Amino acid sequence: EDQVTQSPEALRLQEGESSSLNCSYTVSGLRGLFWYRQDPGKGPEFLFTLYSAGEEKEKERLKATLTKKESFLHITAPKPEDSATYLCAANTGGGNKLTFGTGTQLKVEL
Amino acid sequence: NAGVTQTPKFQVLKTGQSMTLQCAQDMNHNSMYWYRQDPGMGLRLIYYSASEGTTDKGEVPNGYNVSRLNKREFSLRLESAAPSQTSVYFCASSESGEGYTFGSGTRLTVV
Repeated sequence: EDQVTQSPEALRLQEGESSSLNCSYTVSGLRGLFWYRQDPGKGPEFLFTLYSAGEEKEKERLKATLTKKESFLHITAPKPEDSATYLCAANTGGGNKLTFGTGTQLKVEL
Repeated sequence: NAGVTQTPKFQVLKTGQSMTLQCAQDMNHNSMYWYRQDPGMGLRLIYYSASEGTTDKGEVPNGYNVSRLNKREFSLRLESAAPSQTSVYFCASSESGEGYTFGSGTRLTVV
């Protein structure tokens, strides 16, 4: 059974304090690893797709990396507006279906 | 560009009542999806439609039906609502291999 696990469940950072979120996956045939941001009361917002081990993508203070077993979302010098829940998901089969992790709730404080 | 539009945004149902959640996208995407999101459970796939005219079950299809009315619209129907169906429902669309675009969700409470 395909499984996506995120850690930690919650993370509290001071503004400027860099850290990483983890997404580990056990799937049969990864066709893409996706990262989303979700603000309270809203739908998830697409951030990145990674397709192969060693791939990296960046957007502002966020950088996503991928290995054969896990993905990391690195947050450099975060700001309060980066506070959100970050979701990762694996595409493992036909129909572009995604299996989601339960998310990491990030809070960045002044 | 509206993206994915879901209606209604909020709904309260009594046990046994029926309702249809509507979803429409304006991005000409082939694939559409219905997920439910519950605390501690993450997003779980209810049904999906890989292309117009096709629908398939996801992880948690029991108690739900879907209709892909045309390329733009994908509706989710609860025939006889149960308290276990209290959740936030998200519709999404995508092209193959690309990230989903999600709607803003429908918050459903079944009492």
